[in-house]
Amino acid sequence: QKEVEQNSGPLSVPEGAIASLNCTYSDRVSQSFFWYRQYSGKSPELIMSIYSNGDKEDGRFTAQLNKASQYVSLLIRDSQPSDSATYLCAVRGFQKLVFGTGTRLLVSP
Amino acid sequence: AAGVIQSPRHLIKEKRETATLKCYPIPRHDTVYWYQQGPGQDPQFLISFYEKMQSDKGSIPDRFSAQQFSDYHSELNMSSLELGDSALYFCASSLGLGHAPNEKLFFGSGTQLSVL
Repeated sequence: QKEVEQNSGPLSVPEGAIASLNCTYSDRVSQSFFWYRQYSGKSPELIMSIYSNGDKEDGRFTAQLNKASQYVSLLIRDSQPSDSATYLCAVRGFQKLVFGTGTRLLVSP
Repeated sequence: AAGVIQSPRHLIKEKRETATLKCYPIPRHDTVYWYQQGPGQDPQFLISFYEKMQSDKGSIPDRFSAQQFSDYHSELNMSSLELGDSALYFCASSLGLGHAPNEKLFFGSGTQLSVL
């Protein structure tokens, strides 16, 4: 079992819709959770971080964390074609960042 | 704002050759991480350094070595290259004690290594 699990997708949503990306992790001592966006051949770009249970909103993005369920999600409101990318969930204990395999999001015009 | 700088951007080598990848962290960042990402794969952690000392080790082959220098830049040395080493190599840096879990990692643009 991978430490961080994501559905590889692709997740297809129409422009303007809400995209919901999910991630589960296995290490209960994980303390920090991040969402990175990665375009093909490019480096991961940090878009959200969350450290405590609940919701955290930043513009069109909302991260949700449930440590009891070992679950973290990312909601993208008013999805745009430019949001089409692979979204990597990353989990950190004390040092290294462990990535999930990523979910490919396709937003159609 | 200054970002993580990696060089070279692209590197083509033949089997059994050696390669050196360089990483210059964001100014004042004291921790450097190396990741390897194969086609269609998630980034795999290789190794990290905090204050010039190795802080964590992941799936780095014995043929690879790395170090962090006094100016905090880091180099990943790869020897006896194999076809399977072809991948995108990312360096990331963070600020802090290196043990603060909420410290964000920022990635460089990566080095695309192709082994022929």
